[in-house]
Amino acid sequence: GQNIDQPTEMTATEGAIVQINCTYQTSGFNGLFWYQQHAGEAPTFLSYNVLDGLEEKGRFSSFLSRSKGYSYLLLKELQMKDSASYLCAVMIYNQGGKLIFGQGTELSVKP
Amino acid sequence: DGGITQSPKYLFRKEGQNVTLSCEQNLNHDAMYWYRQDPGQGLRLIYYSQIVNDFQKGDIAEGYSVSREKKESFPLTVTSAQKNPTAFYLCASSMLLHYYNEQFFGPGTRLTVL
Repeated sequence: GQNIDQPTEMTATEGAIVQINCTYQTSGFNGLFWYQQHAGEAPTFLSYNVLDGLEEKGRFSSFLSRSKGYSYLLLKELQMKDSASYLCAVMIYNQGGKLIFGQGTELSVKP
Repeated sequence: DGGITQSPKYLFRKEGQNVTLSCEQNLNHDAMYWYRQDPGQGLRLIYYSQIVNDFQKGDIAEGYSVSREKKESFPLTVTSAQKNPTAFYLCASSMLLHYYNEQFFGPGTRLTVL
């Protein structure tokens, strides 16, 4: 079966750094996406990893280790507006671009 | 402006009634998807379509139906057979490149069945 695990919730302080982990066990891995979703809104794309290593984009970075079935999203210089749910999603090879989503990690940023 | 629209944003229906949720995109994307999201949970795939006049069941298709008569449109019908239809429904679309599939999401429809 397909399985993606993320912590349910995390809390961090404004200005700090937080790391959100995602582990996966899927058949036919073809890339991993991170999305941000504010309450009641649509998910928005943050990052994509298909090769091992770190992808940096401003305050956000994402890391992938395919051999370990592991990814993390790193958020630096946290702002109050970063309070949201962060969704990890794995693209499955040869299944019509299907994404399997984790349950999401609810991040609360405190002053 | 290119994007995905879903209407309405909030929808209320009585138990036992069928209801159709609209999804339209002008991004010229080949693939379209329907997801359901329940409180505190991730997205679960209901149906998806890679080309016009073709679609496949996702993980939780029971009690739902779709059609794809036009590239731009992928409406979802929630039938009376769906046991627990109250949820947040998200539509998405993508270019469906074999090596990359960023999905773009609409604003969602929150369905409440009374």
